[in-house]
Amino acid sequence: EPEVTQTPSHQVTQMGQEVILRCVPISNHLYFYWYRQILGQKVEFLVSFYNNEISEKSEIFDDQFSVERPDGSNFTLKIRSTKLEDSAMYFCASRMGVVAFFGQGTRLTVV
Amino acid sequence: DAKTTQPPSMDCAEGRAANLPCNHSTISGNEYVYWYRQIHSQGPQYIIHGLKNNETNEMASLIITEDRKSSTLILPHATLRDTAVYYCIVSSSGTYKYIFGTGTRLKVLA
Repeated sequence: EPEVTQTPSHQVTQMGQEVILRCVPISNHLYFYWYRQILGQKVEFLVSFYNNEISEKSEIFDDQFSVERPDGSNFTLKIRSTKLEDSAMYFCASRMGVVAFFGQGTRLTVV
Repeated sequence: DAKTTQPPSMDCAEGRAANLPCNHSTISGNEYVYWYRQIHSQGPQYIIHGLKNNETNEMASLIITEDRKSSTLILPHATLRDTAVYYCIVSSSGTYKYIFGTGTRLKVLA
């Protein structure tokens, strides 16, 4: 069964460093998303991406965040200068019809 | 804010049906109802979705009221592995982004 794959499963980084979280969406899907979940809190929408551009973003998705689909298969989330409060699970999702499927997430720990 | 309201927690005996309610009184005509679950901190797992009609798949059944203001997810024979947080989500049209609430924490008891 096709699935969304995220790497790495766990990333530890120092405050102020740049991180790139990677996702391989399901192959024929056209819509891509990033969500995050701070420990013990709700899953929060960050950004949606279609046709090589951002279609919607939340207030959380400020200038330190960017997304890219560099090679037609990967979908990446870059955090330019990480802060302690960026520590969270980050989930990628992709969609073809009306249902989105999520990856297993990357746990980002900023120290 | 999430457009749905769910009870914070429920218990269910193993082997019995688990019925998880959800209120979505402000749902629009073109919005779907989705159910996902999350086990520990894993990625949300898709269960089922519907627009107007009741739906059934290998995992669950979804009952949507005629006025579409509420729905119930039914796990027909709950197992210990069904212990999870269950999210009822009404889609946002256009980008179909999901706004998650706090969900229902279902505990299946042996």
